[in-house]
Amino acid sequence: DAKTTQPTSMDCAEGRAANLPCNHSTISGNEYVYWYRQIHSQGPQYIIHGLKNNETNEMASLIITEDRKSSTLILPHATLRDTAVYYCIAPSGGSYIPTFGRGTSLIVHP
Amino acid sequence: SAVISQKPSRDICQRGTSLTIQCQVDSQVTMMFWYRQQPGQSLTLIATANQGSEATYESGFVIDKFPISRPNLTFSTLTVSNMSPEDSSIYLCSVLQGLTNEKLFFGSGTQLSVL
Repeated sequence: DAKTTQPTSMDCAEGRAANLPCNHSTISGNEYVYWYRQIHSQGPQYIIHGLKNNETNEMASLIITEDRKSSTLILPHATLRDTAVYYCIAPSGGSYIPTFGRGTSLIVHP
Repeated sequence: SAVISQKPSRDICQRGTSLTIQCQVDSQVTMMFWYRQQPGQSLTLIATANQGSEATYESGFVIDKFPISRPNLTFSTLTVSNMSPEDSSIYLCSVLQGLTNEKLFFGSGTQLSVL
């Protein structure tokens, strides 16, 4: 997998947008960027993925820079239930099987 | 998305015994995987469960310690054999789904404690 770098932890006020950055400067042209999250004591949950274009779904938006060296996951209106570890992953070799790093621990506070 | 049921959800076991974890999916899936998450750590892929053939193990994991069965496209088991306290972890079953099998979905996990 392409190496990804994320901040260890972040915090966000409830109701505000949470912007989680990810650096993947070694990503190759055919490697997608995936985001998963893991709420405490639960299995990881798929959030979103993209290749070049920005993507949006009911959970979040994914903004990928034009050079694809970095991306940002945006939770537009964070709630307390969004407190979790967020993983940014770029599986390599056409594989969709992610290798999980340490991720970003996001704490949403009242 | 697939509904993935894992049993048991948690167990406390004695050293030297074995535990079999079951994973049931509500639809047929091509690819199933088993992950381990040690306390305070991220997830590590143990193996790919292949239907009708032997599982494909990642580096550091062997069949004798973690035998896996995959009798059909909706069910798999992972056995943790001859357990030691170092095997205390969360074990997670996962499947690939989506239009091109591009999304990974997880069960709720099995919390294993070995005394």
